[in-house]
Amino acid sequence: KQEVTQIPAALSVPEGENLVLNCSFTDSAIYNLQWFRQDPGKGLTSLLLIQSSQREQTSGRLNASLDKSSGRSTLYIAASQPGDSATYLCAALPGDYKLSFGAGTTVTVRA
Amino acid sequence: EAQVTQNPRYLITVTGKKLTVTCSQNMNHEYMSWYRQDPGLGLRQIYYSMNVEVTDKGDVPEGYKVSRKEKRNFPLILESPSPNQTSLYFCASSSRTGGPYGYTFGSGTRLTVV
Repeated sequence: KQEVTQIPAALSVPEGENLVLNCSFTDSAIYNLQWFRQDPGKGLTSLLLIQSSQREQTSGRLNASLDKSSGRSTLYIAASQPGDSATYLCAALPGDYKLSFGAGTTVTVRA
Repeated sequence: EAQVTQNPRYLITVTGKKLTVTCSQNMNHEYMSWYRQDPGLGLRQIYYSMNVEVTDKGDVPEGYKVSRKEKRNFPLILESPSPNQTSLYFCASSSRTGGPYGYTFGSGTRLTVV
């Protein structure tokens, strides 16, 4: 069974600092990997999707890398802002559709 | 706009009173799924559907039913809700046939059973 781990569980940084969020997974036979953002009590917003054949994806200040051989993905958020405060979830997508979620990293960006 | 729509957003009900949470997607996705999210337990899959008339249990199916009569709709049915089903529920959809194969989630339904 796929196990997804996110470290750290919580992170607090001053505004302007770069954020590095880590995600590791045990089964490298994934179809793709998706990063989500969740605000308290709200839904999941897709940030980036990295297909298994790709090494990274970028969207604005966000960059996500994928290393299947080591079972790792990293989400970088450049020049953090208070509006980036949220919980970030990574999910490994296997060929059988069943998502495996990490527990998330809760980020607080201090103004 | 491509989206997954859940209704209602909030629901308070009493133990034993049957309820249905609706889910609809407009992306022609073949795959749909229901999750519940609880503090400390993360997101857990309840049921999923690979296509019309094809459904299967996820990790926590007890106390829930689903049906998939049309491709766009995947309702979640609680026939006799109990307080331990108080949770935040999410519907999601995905596709393998059109790319980019990611998941789209609904905005969630917060259910309280008293």
